[in-house]
Amino acid sequence: DSGVTQTPKHLITATGQRVTLRCSPRSGDLSVYWYQQSLDQGLQFLIQYYNGEERAKGNILERFSAQQFPDLHSELNLSSLELGDSALYFCASSGAGTGVDTGELFFGEGSRLTVL
Amino acid sequence: QKEVEQDPGPLSVPEGAIVSLNCTYSNSAFQYFMWYRQYSRKGPELLMYTYSSGNKEDGRFTAQVDKSSKYISLFIRDSQPSDSATYLCAILAGGYNKLIFGAGTRLAVHP
Repeated sequence: DSGVTQTPKHLITATGQRVTLRCSPRSGDLSVYWYQQSLDQGLQFLIQYYNGEERAKGNILERFSAQQFPDLHSELNLSSLELGDSALYFCASSGAGTGVDTGELFFGEGSRLTVL
Repeated sequence: QKEVEQDPGPLSVPEGAIVSLNCTYSNSAFQYFMWYRQYSRKGPELLMYTYSSGNKEDGRFTAQVDKSSKYISLFIRDSQPSDSATYLCAILAGGYNKLIFGAGTRLAVHP
């Protein structure tokens, strides 16, 4: 168990809809990362937050947004969903404030989104 | 050209075999290299971490980096069915723990 909790585990929705994925990081971790994993694109970095502030952006679509709350949990909002958004969405956390980049991320078990 | 290239496999080997998993990367400035293991229906977990060139050993696992050819490898000795998973190479590509992952190689070790 990585200590990172993601909900929901599975989600089925229709095109055009909006969903929210939730992540609770490991106790004490200040950084939260969101990744998308699909068969054709592999594991793609979307966005990172550190202690409530956006720190880095990757290949995140404009239809997607995220935030990190004062209690450090994070939400990823996906709107105007398309068939191609079907994927596994992972949250990861790291760095309980050490300030050192080690490349060690702790991943949750993912939220599987299916868009029909 | 992708920054990290990894053959997605799948790779099927008998129990006890030596497994070699490989990735290539494009930017010679990269210094930190990782291997993550992902079991089915789980998130990736860090398996090994290597800085710069050379080898690092941890039990049955050896990570190797050849910076001259921009090639990273993971060797698994005496492979076990419990090693069946997807193995992703990853590179620390910048500040704030920015990781670039390979596509992942799916490994199946059969008894």
